[in-house]
Amino acid sequence: EAQVTQNPRYLITVTGKKLTVTCSQNMNHEYMSWYRQDPGLGLRQIYYSMNVEVTDKGDVPEGYKVSRKEKRNFPLILESPSPNQTSLYFCASSRVPPTYNEQFFGPGTRLTVL
Amino acid sequence: AQTVTQSQPEMSVQEAETVTLSCTYDTSESNYYLFWYKQPPSRQMILVIRQEAYKQQNATENRFSVNFQKAAKSFSLKISDSQLGDTAMYFCAFSGGNNDMRFGAGTRLTVKP
Repeated sequence: EAQVTQNPRYLITVTGKKLTVTCSQNMNHEYMSWYRQDPGLGLRQIYYSMNVEVTDKGDVPEGYKVSRKEKRNFPLILESPSPNQTSLYFCASSRVPPTYNEQFFGPGTRLTVL
Repeated sequence: AQTVTQSQPEMSVQEAETVTLSCTYDTSESNYYLFWYKQPPSRQMILVIRQEAYKQQNATENRFSVNFQKAAKSFSLKISDSQLGDTAMYFCAFSGGNNDMRFGAGTRLTVKP
């Protein structure tokens, strides 16, 4: 089954404790992206990647890191999480160019930073 | 920078009736894509419909259609014969030459029986 998977689905952590949210797709997509969803703000893009070893900042990259060492994986790293990073996070993937092709979204990760 | 505005935070419609969700955007680009995504209570993001800016013909997908007004930078979604399963958050989104994607704040649609 073609899908984007994210882990964990739910996470409660404390300020300053490094965490990684994994994202994996099995569709051989070149493009992958991370978004955060907050009430009243919709989805905002954090980082995106056009292919392996190529990453670019989205609208809200501060406090986040990503890496794209393999085509199928695109982990999101919070080196020192803060309460303002409490949010619902989505990973997505598509063929390139993403402007034309449908993005497939993961199920979301609900992160709470205390 | 491109912006996407959805001015209706919440809407409701009776089952079987028609509803239109509004979206406006701002860009200086000439070629771009516009999308409507649906997010039901399950939180899964589902593509409803997409429109290429170069195409004058409005996109349609079964009960879903758009009214794309390029000069006015308007991209509204019409849902005909509304069904209970249409209850969801609906997001308008823009994607241009930078390969990034911008979403509006969303409209929460409730279909009432």
